[in-house]
Amino acid sequence: DGGITQSPKYLFRKEGQNVTLSCEQNLNHDAMYWYRQDPGQGLRLIYYSQIVNDFQKGDIAEGYSVSREKKESFPLTVTSAQKNPTAFYLCASSSQLASGETQYFGPGTRLLVL
Amino acid sequence: QQQVKQSPQSLIVQKGGISIINCAYENTAFDYFPWYQQFPGKGPALLIAIRPDVSEKKEGRFTISFNKSAKQFSLHIMDSQPGDSATYFCAARFSGNTGKLIFGQGTTLQVKP
Repeated sequence: DGGITQSPKYLFRKEGQNVTLSCEQNLNHDAMYWYRQDPGQGLRLIYYSQIVNDFQKGDIAEGYSVSREKKESFPLTVTSAQKNPTAFYLCASSSQLASGETQYFGPGTRLLVL
Repeated sequence: QQQVKQSPQSLIVQKGGISIINCAYENTAFDYFPWYQQFPGKGPALLIAIRPDVSEKKEGRFTISFNKSAKQFSLHIMDSQPGDSATYFCAARFSGNTGKLIFGQGTTLQVKP
């Protein structure tokens, strides 16, 4: 059963704490992406990775970090430098082949600040 | 700045009616235009998509109309059903191999029974 999984579904962060959101895919996709979704603002790109051990900043990378040690995994860390982390976080992946038309999304993680 | 502008922000349609959502883009370096459907608390799911060399694409009750010269594209939902109530996002993909998408701000559709 191919797809993208994200965990946890809900995550609570205390002030000054770093938290890590998990994203795993078994679609054999090369590229993976992290988005932040806030009400009325659509999806904004945080980081993306086209290949293992390489990643690029998106439009709102400040306060976030990522790693891509394995093709199927792309964890996102929300650091204490991110002052407004409350949002719905979405992970996506896509194929780099010519037939890979678009991105497929996971179910999301909702991050709340205590 | 926003490169894909979507309207309206919200839409209420009666069951059986036609829902129309519009998007306009500025950058000519886009080569693929998908629409996503998102239900509350879920991730977006690909609904239908079009390339700029095609003026219209239809899949069931969903149709994309594309006007390359005007840099506009729209989603039409025919015979709208209460189950279509969701948030819809248009997007545009940058040409090249990054696969990066720019999303519109979303339209919340409510179909009344």
